[in-house]
Amino acid sequence: GNSVTQMEGPVTLSEEAFLTINCTYTATGYPSLFWYVQYPGEGLQLLLKATKADDKGSNKGFEATYRKETTSFHLEKGSVQVSDSAVYFCALSDYGGSQGNLIFGKGTKLSVKP
Amino acid sequence: DAGITQSPRHKVTETGTPVTLRCHQTENHRYMYWYRQDPGHGLRLIHYSYGVKDTDKGEVSDGYSVSRSKTEDFLLTLESATSSQTSVYFCAISEVRGRNQPQHFGDGTRLSIL
Repeated sequence: GNSVTQMEGPVTLSEEAFLTINCTYTATGYPSLFWYVQYPGEGLQLLLKATKADDKGSNKGFEATYRKETTSFHLEKGSVQVSDSAVYFCALSDYGGSQGNLIFGKGTKLSVKP
Repeated sequence: DAGITQSPRHKVTETGTPVTLRCHQTENHRYMYWYRQDPGHGLRLIHYSYGVKDTDKGEVSDGYSVSRSKTEDFLLTLESATSSQTSVYFCAISEVRGRNQPQHFGDGTRLSIL
């Protein structure tokens, strides 16, 4: 079935460092891809999305490009801040299979040090 | 932020007791979802609803039931709680159910079963 694999971390960076969180997927058909962010004690918030191959989603300095040839959707940010410390989830939409709805990766915890 | 309220936010109970979690939305969205979040598993879908009195099972539905008697409320019930159901539970909503549509999440309920 469809699945999402992301680097589990934790990832620890210094402020202003470059961030990459890898995400690859397995899917039949043409899913949409999402990145969600979860700050401590809160629910998940949509960070960005891409709905077709070569689309680039972007928000708050974060970017991710839907790469069909490598089945990847890596999250990047050029200069992280302490306020970016959170858990990041990659997800794909799956509305055709028995699982239905969103399928999430296991999450990657990011800690940014001043 | 989407108007989603989960109650209670925290609950501790004993094995074998019934537990009901409530999700209330003010967005008049048709679709509502219950997920559980566990370390090493990301989020997994328990049940979802596509309208009043219309529900379906997700990936991990065993031991859970749901009800939706009004558009705004979606209840998750553990008929006889077990320690394996200790988790953080998230409600989500979406206006439509399509591959491009993100879901919006509540802040979660932390449930501990002793």
